[in-house]
Parts: sequence; structure tokens; C-alpha cells
Amino acid sequence: DGGITQSPKYLFRKEGQNVTLSCEQNLNHDAMYWYRQDPGQGLRLIYYSQIVNDFQKGDIAEGYSVSREKKESFPLTVTSAQKNPTAFYLCASSIWASNQPQHFGDGTRLSIL
Amino acid sequence: DQQVKQNSPSLSVQEGRISILNCDYTNSMFDYFLWYKKYPAEGPTFLISISSIKDKNEDGRFTVFLNKSAKHLSLHIVPSQPGDSAVYFCAASAYGNEKLTFGTGTRLTIIP
Repeated sequence: DGGITQSPKYLFRKEGQNVTLSCEQNLNHDAMYWYRQDPGQGLRLIYYSQIVNDFQKGDIAEGYSVSREKKESFPLTVTSAQKNPTAFYLCASSIWASNQPQHFGDGTRLSIL
Repeated sequence: DQQVKQNSPSLSVQEGRISILNCDYTNSMFDYFLWYKKYPAEGPTFLISISSIKDKNEDGRFTVFLNKSAKHLSLHIVPSQPGDSAVYFCAASAYGNEKLTFGTGTRLTIIP
């Protein structure tokens, strides 16, 4: 079954620690995205990548970093510089072309201990 | 600046009736619009989309209408079913820029 896998489902982090969220897709999509959702808000774009070894900042990239070494994988690191990291993080992928929907994983909820 | 707005945070509809969810946008460069459905602690699921060359798109119980002059789109669900209870997000993108801009969502509750 093709899809997007995010792990873990729940993640806890101590203040001052970096943490990496995993996102893997087997849809053969070129583009991958990371979003953050906070209560009562829409999804806000953190980073996106159109092709391997290339990525662009979204609207709220400060305190985050990404890599795209393989087409299937787009891990997100939440660094200690992110002031308010507690949120629901969503990864998506799509064909990089006009009028193509993005498809989402089931998310990772990150909480600060 | 909120470029995609869903002004109704919540909506309750009787089972079997029509649900109408609304979305307004301000960016005239948007030319592709989508609706997603989201259950708690899950990722959004793509429902239906429409490009700006159309004013209506149907898929089973779901129909999306686009009024470009009013910069308004709506999602109609007929008939509404209990499983439709979820948060619905509208989203938009501009030609040549595949990033999506999302609204804040509308929580739809179907009353049995």
C-alpha cells in the first residue's frame, strides 16, 4: 500500500534538546513538505523540497532544519532554538506539477517535558 | 495576513441534510483550490479540488463551487452522514507555486 509514514506518533523532548521527526513516502512523489498545526489554526508550512538535495524555507522555518538525501525521506529536526515547539507536525508529499493535491501522513505530536 | 479564511469555526447539521462549508480568499493569483477532511490526531485527507477554469466540481456526495469574482468557494455535502463529522480545511495555491495556503478550518458535526 502506497502512503506516507511518520514516526513516532508521539514524541517528548526535554528543553534544550534537538529532536528529529521521520517522514517516509513510497508514492514516488518528487515534492515533500512539513507543516505545523496549532490548536484553532490552519496548517503552516515549515519547509518544502521539490527534488533531492534541495529544499526551501516555508513561512515559519526559524528553529527547524531539514535534509533531503533520498527521494523517499524528508526528516525534520526541531532544534533547541525553536521557542515553542509543542505542536502537531504533519508531513505531506505530491507530484511537483500544477493542480496536484498533497497527501498527508498521520502526524507526530511533539510535547516538551 | 490571512489569505484563506474560513469564518465559521463550527457548523452543526442534521443527518441527511445538506452541509455547506464556506471559504474566502484574498489572493487573486490563487488558481487551484482544495478541500481536506481531518479527524483528531490524524493527517488531513484530500477530498476534492477545483481549478479556476471551472466553477463546479462533483465527486459523489461532495460538490465544490467556485465564485472567482467573489473570491469565494464552498463545499456541499449531500446527504450528510455521521462519518462526515470532522474538521474541514480549504486550501489554495497559485500557478507555478505549488505551496498550499490553508484556512483555519471548520468543525462539522452531524447530528443523528
